[in-house]
Amino acid sequence: DAKTTQPNSMESNEEEPVHLPCNHSTISGTDYIHWYRQLPSQGPEYVIHGLTSNVNNRMASLAIAEDRKSSTLILHRATLRDAAVYYCIRRPLFFGNEKLTFGTGTRLTIIP
Amino acid sequence: ETGVTQSPTHLIKTRGQQVTLRCSSQSGHNTVSWYQQALGQGPQFIFQYYREEENGRGNFPPRFSGLQFPNYSSELNVNALELDDSALYLCASSLARESYEQYFGPGTRLTVT
Repeated sequence: DAKTTQPNSMESNEEEPVHLPCNHSTISGTDYIHWYRQLPSQGPEYVIHGLTSNVNNRMASLAIAEDRKSSTLILHRATLRDAAVYYCIRRPLFFGNEKLTFGTGTRLTIIP
Repeated sequence: ETGVTQSPTHLIKTRGQQVTLRCSSQSGHNTVSWYQQALGQGPQFIFQYYREEENGRGNFPPRFSGLQFPNYSSELNVNALELDDSALYLCASSLARESYEQYFGPGTRLTVT
């Protein structure tokens, strides 16, 4: 099964950047890296995804190591609303496979 | 554009009973996936439907079954409920072969006593 490794929990101060690491040392060349987050009492929501190069969107940035064995989700300025469980997921490149394989994720706590 | 909705929000059933959970996909989405999330764990993939046909299944027994309707709404049925079936059940819709992003509903909390 597609395997990623994340720290169980992290803390960060409000209004500071947060770097959430993910290890995917056995990743294949056809796997994307996806990040989802799950706010309390809600379903997961998509954050960002990438294949080889760094990606930015309105929510976050994704930095992917050159060897693709690890990546980092960057929240540039954490707010209390960013407190959630963050999941790093390997996802096959080809369309038609919509399955997401979640691990236990990283629980991010934001300190006011 | 309406998001993914699920009903009911909460449900309590007795061991051995049957339950049906419902999901209304986001408008225009042709694929629905169902996940089970036990307390403190990440969601686990149950199965997926694409244009009313099952298109992949996780490691769940046959007593977990589903349907997708022509309007792309969906049902998850669980027969012969067991205590371990107590969990949050999530559905997610997507536009297969067009986008990787999946849109999750808020889930149905099922408690089996």
